[in-house]
Amino acid sequence: DARVTQTPRHKVTEMGQEVTMRCQPILGHNTVFWYRQTMMQGLELLAYFRNRAPLDDSGMPKDRFSAEMPDATLATLKIQPSEPRDSAVYFCASGGLAGAGGTTGELFFGEGSRLTVL
Amino acid sequence: GEDVEQSLFLSVREGDSSVINCTYTDSSSTYLYWYKQEPGAGLQLLTYIFSNMDMKQDQRLTVLLNKKDKHLSLRIADTQTGDSAIYFCAESWGNNRLAFGKGNQVVVIP
Repeated sequence: DARVTQTPRHKVTEMGQEVTMRCQPILGHNTVFWYRQTMMQGLELLAYFRNRAPLDDSGMPKDRFSAEMPDATLATLKIQPSEPRDSAVYFCASGGLAGAGGTTGELFFGEGSRLTVL
Repeated sequence: GEDVEQSLFLSVREGDSSVINCTYTDSSSTYLYWYKQEPGAGLQLLTYIFSNMDMKQDQRLTVLLNKKDKHLSLRIADTQTGDSAIYFCAESWGNNRLAFGKGNQVVVIP
């Protein structure tokens, strides 16, 4: 069945290392979101793509984070250099536009990538 | 972004009803959603309500929407141990983004 796939599921790294998280959205979905979840902040929107174009990355620390969609089947979130405060669960979600083809704007989430930066 | 407020924790006995509340800010939201997150998993859509509705019933779930007070609630009837999870409400806003609350942890006591 169709689902959003994220890799890696778990990542432990040392401060200063580069981290790349990958996401395969559901085929046919034209919106992709990256969220970060922590106990303190809850779910924070980091970046948002529509038809592979970045529409909003205002929630992302620009100096170290970057998000791209090299093609319709792959979205990446990169952190370079990583810091301990980046430790969180990173979720990718995809969806179709509300109202388009009867969709309700709901998002489908991957299982998340749990990042620990030591 | 928009601001969605939720209380943090609820414990309920198996078989009882549980009610989770949420307030939102964007009165122009077209849809409002309830998502469920089980431990170690992503969020899954439980149910949604269109903004021109006051109530929606879906098996054991009842969603109530008070547009005047911008208040959304989710009632789970006959709560079961499998309902233990974190529940997020979300509202749609500009460019089809969703703003999520901080979530409400529900613990079902057998």
